[in-house]
Amino acid sequence: KQEVTQIPAALSVPEGENLVLNCSFTDSAIYNLQWFRQDPGKGLTSLLLIQSSQREQTSGRLNASLDKSSGRSTLYIAASQPGDSATYLCAVRQETSYDKVIFGPGTSLSVIP
Amino acid sequence: ETGVTQTPRHLVMGMTNKKSLKCEQHLGHNAMYWYKQSAKKPLELMFVYNFKEQTENNSVPSRFSPECPNSSHLFLHLHTLQPEDSALYLCASSQDIGRSITYEQYFGPGTRLTVT
Repeated sequence: KQEVTQIPAALSVPEGENLVLNCSFTDSAIYNLQWFRQDPGKGLTSLLLIQSSQREQTSGRLNASLDKSSGRSTLYIAASQPGDSATYLCAVRQETSYDKVIFGPGTSLSVIP
Repeated sequence: ETGVTQTPRHLVMGMTNKKSLKCEQHLGHNAMYWYKQSAKKPLELMFVYNFKEQTENNSVPSRFSPECPNSSHLFLHLHTLQPEDSALYLCASSQDIGRSITYEQYFGPGTRLTVT
């Protein structure tokens, strides 16, 4: 059974700092991994999606990497800003059952001005 | 409207009520999903529909009844709910056919449900 964990559960950093969020999964048979951000009480906004054959994806100040064999993904945020404060979620889609999507519990990020 | 919309945004209902949540996607996608997000728990996938056919039911109690009349609309009918069903219910869609399949999901803003 696939399990997805995210470390740390919460993170507080000063503005301008570079930071890394971690996502781990137990079953490496994934089709893709998607990173989202969620603002309090709101829906999810897609940030980056990495297919299982890819190693990384970049969008602006965000870079996501995937090491499928070791069951890990990282989300790197450069030059953090207060507007980056949100909860960051990773989700894996299973290779054997494309309709199965498992989410991690999220990392709550606070960027202090 | 664009993207994925959900109505109502907030709903308070008693345990004996019957209500429905509505989701509409304007992205031309063929797959739609219902998720439940409870406090301090990861998002839980509830149902998946692909071209109006239910392809996933994640052991959801029968007091939740989904309906997908077409690829753009998804409903979640609620009846005799329990207080522990209070949560944020999120709808998502993705494009699961075509030459460049990524299954990237797009979410709606959610319906905050409180069962009293």
